[in-house]
Amino acid sequence: TQLLEQSPQFLSIQEGENLTVYCNSSSVFSSLQWYRQEPGEGPVLLVTVVTGGEVKKLKRLTFQFGDARKDSSLHITAAQPGDTGLYLCAGARTGKLIFGQGTTLQVKP
Amino acid sequence: DAGITQSPRYKITETGRQVTLMCHQTWSHSYMFWYRQDLGHGLRLIYYSAAADITDKGEVPDGYVVSRSKTENFPLTLESATRSQTSVYFCASTPSDLGQPQHFGDGTRLSIL
Repeated sequence: TQLLEQSPQFLSIQEGENLTVYCNSSSVFSSLQWYRQEPGEGPVLLVTVVTGGEVKKLKRLTFQFGDARKDSSLHITAAQPGDTGLYLCAGARTGKLIFGQGTTLQVKP
Repeated sequence: DAGITQSPRYKITETGRQVTLMCHQTWSHSYMFWYRQDLGHGLRLIYYSAAADITDKGEVPDGYVVSRSKTENFPLTLESATRSQTSVYFCASTPSDLGQPQHFGDGTRLSIL
């Protein structure tokens, strides 16, 4: 059973479109992290959200932590080909991270 | 160079063989982790270590052994490799257990024939 469900698992869009990736759980996390991974490399942290309802922005990326700290979303505005990659959410719990299955994003020029 | 390095980057072996994946970090982070990444499963925790000589099982520990005699090294051994252990393995480290970001190596792609 996957503790953190990410959706969609695959997304292929045109440059300039907007998209949202969801990360849902029935469990509460002390914090939630979003990572981006490129082929042949390890995941790299994008952002950590800690407080319920928190919103963080990183250029065209907007991250939100649900009020109950059980879910999160990543919204990308005007996607660019450079945004292509695997996006992973990870919930922190008792010192460990629990990862979602990941969302593979392809942005076509 | 500072960071976390994994070796080898690629490995092909046969079922029943023993294989060890190496992980070395230069930050003196207390916590180190081993994950496997398979399509549709994201990253699954195999073992982790809170400090030298302290290790604990993660979600999928069967068939794997770890040790941590020094803070900077955290090798992962498959004692008798099976085809189901074909995967990409990632090592990560973090300073504490407070949900801080983990720093990942670039992975070892392991194929078991």
